[in-house]
Amino acid sequence: QQQVKQSPQSLIVQKGGISIINCAYENTAFDYFPWYQQFPGKGPALLIAIRPDVSEKKEGRFTISFNKSAKQFSLHIMDSQPGDSATYFCAANAGGTSYGKLTFGQGTILTVHP
Amino acid sequence: KAGVTQTPRYLIKTRGQQVTLSCSPISGHRSVSWYQQTPGQGLQFLFEYFSETQRNKGNFPGRFSGRQFSNSRSEMNVSTLELGDSALYLCASSLRSAGPSNTGELFFGEGSRLTVL
Repeated sequence: QQQVKQSPQSLIVQKGGISIINCAYENTAFDYFPWYQQFPGKGPALLIAIRPDVSEKKEGRFTISFNKSAKQFSLHIMDSQPGDSATYFCAANAGGTSYGKLTFGQGTILTVHP
Repeated sequence: KAGVTQTPRYLIKTRGQQVTLSCSPISGHRSVSWYQQTPGQGLQFLFEYFSETQRNKGNFPGRFSGRQFSNSRSEMNVSTLELGDSALYLCASSLRSAGPSNTGELFFGEGSRLTVL
């Protein structure tokens, strides 16, 4: 019940295209859904996050769509750039006493061709 | 503002040895969490410390332990190392406090890459 399932495992997109990564969760206690971006040799860095009281959040070229009834959320990267090539992780957290405990998806390796 | 600092960045150990990894959180952050990252299992939560107390623990054997000091710096220890312990160990810090300044964000260090031979 703690799993977060992420797809696809890898994604190749042309520059200027839209990258879409999907995640599904089972634990209805999750109330915080961040996306992290990780470059080789670096630790993950928060990209954008959403709480279940909204269905969409946009920050620049990055948008999270959230479907509470389906227990799914997705990351859309508009106008994808070669610099966006990285590994992306969705995650979920139940808050409260589990504040520092993120459950991560398996990651998506995004490659944006110039 | 300095980020999360982890030392050492790389280390090689042999089976049966033990290892201690160190993490200095961002100034003012009182919560430190540890994660193990491997190609097969991805990012897995080890434990979280807040105010020198372990608040959460992941599903790892007792060989994995940690502690937090009064200055919020944290260490994790792995005893009796096994080949499967080879991984990138990531530390993350956060404010972990109520109020508008609390974004819920974890700030990760660059990790300590452990190789067990």
